Amino acid sequence: EVQLLESGGGLVQPGGSLRLSCEASGFTFNTYAMSWVRQAPGKGLEWVSGIGNAGHNTFYTKSVKGRFTISRDSSKNTLYLQMNSLRAEDTAVYYCARNAESSGQFFFDYWGQGTLVTVSS
Amino acid sequence: DIVMTQSPDSLAVSLGERATINCKSSQSVLYSFNNKNSLAWYQQKPRQPPKLLIYWASTRESGVPDRFSGSGSGTDFTLTITSLQAEDVAVYYCQQYYTTPYTFGQGTKLEIK
Repeated sequence: EVQLLESGGGLVQPGGSLRLSCEASGFTFNTYAMSWVRQAPGKGLEWVSGIGNAGHNTFYTKSVKGRFTISRDSSKNTLYLQMNSLRAEDTAVYYCARNAESSGQFFFDYWGQGTLVTVSS
Repeated sequence: DIVMTQSPDSLAVSLGERATINCKSSQSVLYSFNNKNSLAWYQQKPRQPPKLLIYWASTRESGVPDRFSGSGSGTDFTLTITSLQAEDVAVYYCQQYYTTPYTFGQGTKLEIK
């Protein structure tokens, strides 16, 4: 059974940093690209960042580029999101999602339960 | 960025009736490699993560009931739920995966009338 377990969320002051983790199980982690998707309270879904299966290719939405870094450790079956210079508008539930690949395109077939990040003074 | 716009924002349908949700992309998401549309639909129930329902605009994910169907091409897409069940109450999102940044529609809240 595919499982994705996020951790690392919490309350942080504006300008602060936080590192999210997503521990994967139930599938061969190093054969799948992965993504982070966030959802602000009461709002819709926003893709934040993605990483290729080998960790060489990374992608970011404009609003987090230069502040967030996605990475992965296949020896630990874990995906990370290092978030620096946090802003109030980064407040959201952050979901880890597995990227299903089909003909070179990727959509999200499994999601974790999410971890809440609150940026506030 | 490709902008995804859903309509309506909310919808109330009687049990057993049909629900139709529309999604429009600001540019075509037709993937020339396989001539399919890079469009997915997700269902999100309260306090749960999203669940994949449909990909390639019309391919149902394994285990999804056949009352859920997707259609459309190019820039205009539809999610149809025939014979609405109580457990279908949720927010539904369309998403394009044609190019990064992957983008979602704003969501459509489906309720029972």
